[in-house]
Amino acid sequence: DTEVTQTPKHLVMGMTNKKSLKCEQHMGHRAMYWYKQKAKKPPELMFVYSYEKLSINESVPSRFSPECPNSSLLNLHLHALQPEDSALYLCASSQGQAKGLAKNIQYFGAGTRLSVL
Amino acid sequence: KQEVTQIPAALSVPEGENLVLNCSFTDSAIYNLQWFRQDPGKGLTSLLLIQSSQREQTSGRLNASLDKSSGRSTLYIAASQPGDSATYLCAVFRYAGGTSYGKLTFGQGTILTVHP
Repeated sequence: DTEVTQTPKHLVMGMTNKKSLKCEQHMGHRAMYWYKQKAKKPPELMFVYSYEKLSINESVPSRFSPECPNSSLLNLHLHALQPEDSALYLCASSQGQAKGLAKNIQYFGAGTRLSVL
Repeated sequence: KQEVTQIPAALSVPEGENLVLNCSFTDSAIYNLQWFRQDPGKGLTSLLLIQSSQREQTSGRLNASLDKSSGRSTLYIAASQPGDSATYLCAVFRYAGGTSYGKLTFGQGTILTVHP
């Protein structure tokens, strides 16, 4: 099973709303990632969690708040977003981040399409 | 800062043709390089991963090569089919200096259309 499940698939929210995106994997992976992808652009890394600890934050605005409650679950809490935050949000996971691993292939979910009105 | 460039930006070919997609990167201190496929509005599917010590990887009709010293990779697709139509992205994985934490940097992608 190489599946990364993201919910919801689509989300429409106003600028004053609070919502959360959810990502789940059951591959025993210990690294999980959030990416943001604007239309016709490549994915851009937002956050990396390694062993449930935040290891990389790519200077993402505080209106995006990640959370990793356990090794299988990754959340992205959204608050006071702007219309320019509308994008496809992708979650990914890999075996780990440590050097020496034979492979650190990232497996991606189908994404959440977010529209901010 | 790592920059990844893919050429061409778009490619349209008739079914059955062999084709090559190109990827170049500016910083050769990479750990691995991955090729992904993305269908419209969907997530990414990993096609091939090449470790920095390897020269090429093959999977079915796909063959990816890596020349780390020159900062180049190519994805070769043999006998293309309409089902191959998608955006193909290359991405390089690099560890931040002195740390065990790394990140993928993506190219802009090549939009491939294979017509019957």
